[in-house]
Amino acid sequence: GENVEQHPSTLSVQEGDSAVIKCTYSDSASNYFPWYKQELGKGPQLIIDIRSNVGEKKDQRIAVTLNKTAKHFSLHITETQPEDSAVYFCAAIGGTYKYIFGTGTRLKVLA
Amino acid sequence: GAGVSQSPSNKVTEKGKDVELRCDPISGHTALYWYRQSLGQGLEFLIYFQGNSAPDKSGLPSDRFSAERTGGSVSTLTIQRTQQEDSAVYLCASSLATPISGNTIYFGEGSWLTVV
Repeated sequence: GENVEQHPSTLSVQEGDSAVIKCTYSDSASNYFPWYKQELGKGPQLIIDIRSNVGEKKDQRIAVTLNKTAKHFSLHITETQPEDSAVYFCAAIGGTYKYIFGTGTRLKVLA
Repeated sequence: GAGVSQSPSNKVTEKGKDVELRCDPISGHTALYWYRQSLGQGLEFLIYFQGNSAPDKSGLPSDRFSAERTGGSVSTLTIQRTQQEDSAVYLCASSLATPISGNTIYFGEGSWLTVV
């Protein structure tokens, strides 16, 4: 069945460094790839998304890249800040309405 | 409303009791989802509603779980005879239409259920 793998499960970086989270999907029909940030005690919030006709998208310190051939997409956070500490989920959707989520990455930015 | 609203935000119940969790989606959103998130885990799909179509219940873990959506808006997730393994955060999300076209789903803050 459809599957999204996400790595790493935990990530610690020093404040100011970059963080990269990677996801791999199995359904070649997937064409929309959102990223969600979940802070403690809150619901996931969309932070950035990318569609299959685009290879890269950037929004200030956050960027997402997509390699459709390899079925990989990644989240890049530059100049990390303590408030970036949260759990990040990737998702893929294509042929059905079901969002398939990755298992999450707990990012800790050390001050 | 401005966002997806869920209630209660926290619920502690005794094993064996029934619970009802409510979700009020963003106004105008026709698609509604329920997900379950166990402590430190990912997002487990439970059920999906789209307009007047029959819901996709394929993610419901057992027949103790049911959900309905009245009038195409508010949804209620019911768990009967709760068990300790039902303890989790139950997240509701909604979107304008089917995400096939890339319509983003927006989550509520969740209902934290603890079964003691």
